[in-house]
Amino acid sequence: DGGITQSPKYLFRKEGQNVTLSCEQNLNHDAMYWYRQDPGQGLRLIYYSQIVNDFQKGDIAEGYSVSREKKESFPLTVTSAQKNPTAFYLCASSQGTADEQYFGPGTRLTVT
Amino acid sequence: AQSVTQLDSQVPVFEEAPVELRCNYSSSVSVYLFWYVQYPNQGLQLLLKYLSGSTLVESINGFEAEFNKSQTSFHLRKPSVHISDTAEYFCAVSRTGTASKLTFGTGTRLQVTL
Repeated sequence: DGGITQSPKYLFRKEGQNVTLSCEQNLNHDAMYWYRQDPGQGLRLIYYSQIVNDFQKGDIAEGYSVSREKKESFPLTVTSAQKNPTAFYLCASSQGTADEQYFGPGTRLTVT
Repeated sequence: AQSVTQLDSQVPVFEEAPVELRCNYSSSVSVYLFWYVQYPNQGLQLLLKYLSGSTLVESINGFEAEFNKSQTSFHLRKPSVHISDTAEYFCAVSRTGTASKLTFGTGTRLQVTL
């Protein structure tokens, strides 16, 4: 089955530690995205990538970093510079930038 | 830039009753419009979309939405809801020609009870 995999589903870290969230897709989609979801705030775009080895900042990129070395993978690193990292993180992909996005199941990150 | 307003954070409704979830958008350019549904602790699933053509779009599970350009609205409706429709619903907008930069509303929690 084609789809988007995010692992782990739940992640716990201590404040001051960097953490990397995994996102893998086997849909052969060119574009991939990372969103952050907080209660009552909807989804906000962190980073997106339209092609391998290229990515752009979204609306709330500060404190995050990404890489796109392979078409199927788009890992997100939450750095210690992110002031409020506890959130639900969603990865998405689309065939092209004019096509609808398909979402993964999400990773819930808790930082204490 | 685009923005989306979902005024109702929660909508309680009895099973088999009709429901309307409101979505209004603001944009200086032509837009694509989307409704996504999210079940607890899961990702988002595309429910329906308006790209062009007929202003009334339908989903496979009985939801429909109508694009109203003059009122800048894209309200979601269902004539008879089921318990299984309980979820969070998000309206989203993007500039025509690209769905890469979606702007989401804050969501509406639909709670269906017996």
